[in-house]
Amino acid sequence: NAGVTQTPKFQVLKTGQSMTLQCAQDMNHEYMSWYRQDPGMGLRLIHYSVGAGITDQGEVPNGYNVSRSTTEDFPLRLLSAAPSQTSVYFCASGRDRGREQYFGPGTRLTVT
Amino acid sequence: EDQVTQSPEALRLQEGESSSLNCSYTVSGLRGLFWYRQDPGKGPEFLFTLYSAGEEKEKERLKATLTKKESFLHITAPKPEDSATYLCAVWDNAGNMLTFGGGTRLMVKP
Repeated sequence: NAGVTQTPKFQVLKTGQSMTLQCAQDMNHEYMSWYRQDPGMGLRLIHYSVGAGITDQGEVPNGYNVSRSTTEDFPLRLLSAAPSQTSVYFCASGRDRGREQYFGPGTRLTVT
Repeated sequence: EDQVTQSPEALRLQEGESSSLNCSYTVSGLRGLFWYRQDPGKGPEFLFTLYSAGEEKEKERLKATLTKKESFLHITAPKPEDSATYLCAVWDNAGNMLTFGGGTRLMVKP
């Protein structure tokens, strides 16, 4: 099993550009989520999904969009990048809510 | 609102010097408490899940314990390769997400 994979590993965007961060898991997990990690702020939840076709907002959803058309994939879209979105983004998956979550390797995003 | 506080923020140990990391939490009803290890530039790696007060889990030099208000990660005779940031997180009965603490950065000197 590859576990949770994320692409790209690094990305630089200009303010106003859009892009999609990819996340895939091969563990047949129902629950998937996106976090951002910033110095001094810890890990904060952006969006999550409890199954294909079902998504909801987390703690810091503004400026981000998600969809879940399959169990395996959970892409995160930045609609119009802003410097405040410079961060490290992690995707995670777990069998269900309340169970351990397994994290991907992360995407380091810089917005100039 | 769930709250998770970890202490200390940073801990320097000599190789072989045992110590404990603390995770204090406030939740409406605890569904599970999780410990993760994070190395620089990598994603958090799952270590333990604890579900109820009195529960203990062990893995190599690490032992996690849980009370009704806090959890401890005990590190026995640490080695330099144990150097990492250790994260604590909670899942409450009502919520749909993990709430993380700020982490403890552990440095073990040879």
